[in-house]
Amino acid sequence: QSALTQPPAASGSPGQSVTISCIGTSSDVGGFSFVSWYQQYPGKAPQLILYEVDKWPSGVPDRFFRFSGSKSGNTASLTVHGLQAEDEATYYCSSYAGSNTVIFGGGTKLTVL
Amino acid sequence: QLRLQESGPGLVKPSETLSLTCTVSGASISSTSHYWGWIRQPPGKGLEWIASINYSGTTFYNPSLRSRVTISIDTSANQLSLKLTSATAADTAVYYCARPDYSSGWYPSFDYWGQGTLVTVS
Repeated sequence: QSALTQPPAASGSPGQSVTISCIGTSSDVGGFSFVSWYQQYPGKAPQLILYEVDKWPSGVPDRFFRFSGSKSGNTASLTVHGLQAEDEATYYCSSYAGSNTVIFGGGTKLTVL
Repeated sequence: QLRLQESGPGLVKPSETLSLTCTVSGASISSTSHYWGWIRQPPGKGLEWIASINYSGTTFYNPSLRSRVTISIDTSANQLSLKLTSATAADTAVYYCARPDYSSGWYPSFDYWGQGTLVTVS
C-alpha cells in the first residue's frame, strides 16, 4: 500500500474556487467510493470534511458546506468554493484500500493569497 | 459529547516498546459496534492509519506495521491501547486515537479525534 498522491501546495485568492487532487490506484480510490477529506490546522487534530466522496458528516460547521468532493477513475478531488482566510490549512484525503485498511494522502497545504 | 484523550511517555528509547493509552469519555466503548483506531503523523508529514479494534476485540492492522503493533481494548476502563515494538526514530510522531461516527462495523473515515500525543524515539 502506497500513500495517495496529493500536490504539496495549492493557493487561491479570497472568493475564488480551488481544487485539490488525490491520486490513487484501482485498489483504493478507483475501486471504492470511500474517499474522505480532512482539514488540519497547525498543532490541531484533523477534522473530517467529507466522507464517501461527497457527503458532509452530520453536525459539520456551516463553513464546510463550501467544500465539495468528486471522483473520476483513480482520482478524487476536493473543491473549495468562495475561498476564505479560514480555509488556509492542510488538507488530507484518505481512501479505503481493501481488507479493512485505509490509506491517506501526503497532504496539501492550501494558502489563501 | 465524545472525548478521546491520548496518554503515554513522550520519549521512548530506540529498540524499546512504545505504549499509549486512549481514554474515552462521553460514550461506552462496549455499548456499540464502533471501531476505535490509532493514527499517527510524523512531524511535518502526512497521516498514517495504524490499527482499529472494536469492543469484542476484533482487530484490523496496517500491513506495513502489523508485525510490530498490538491494539487492545479495556472495556472496564473504557480505554484502548497501542503497543509498538522495536521503536526507531521513524516512529517519532503525533499519535491520535480516533473513531468513525458509523456504528455498524469497521469504517474507513474518522469523525472524532483526540488531541494527539507526541512520542519521540531517541
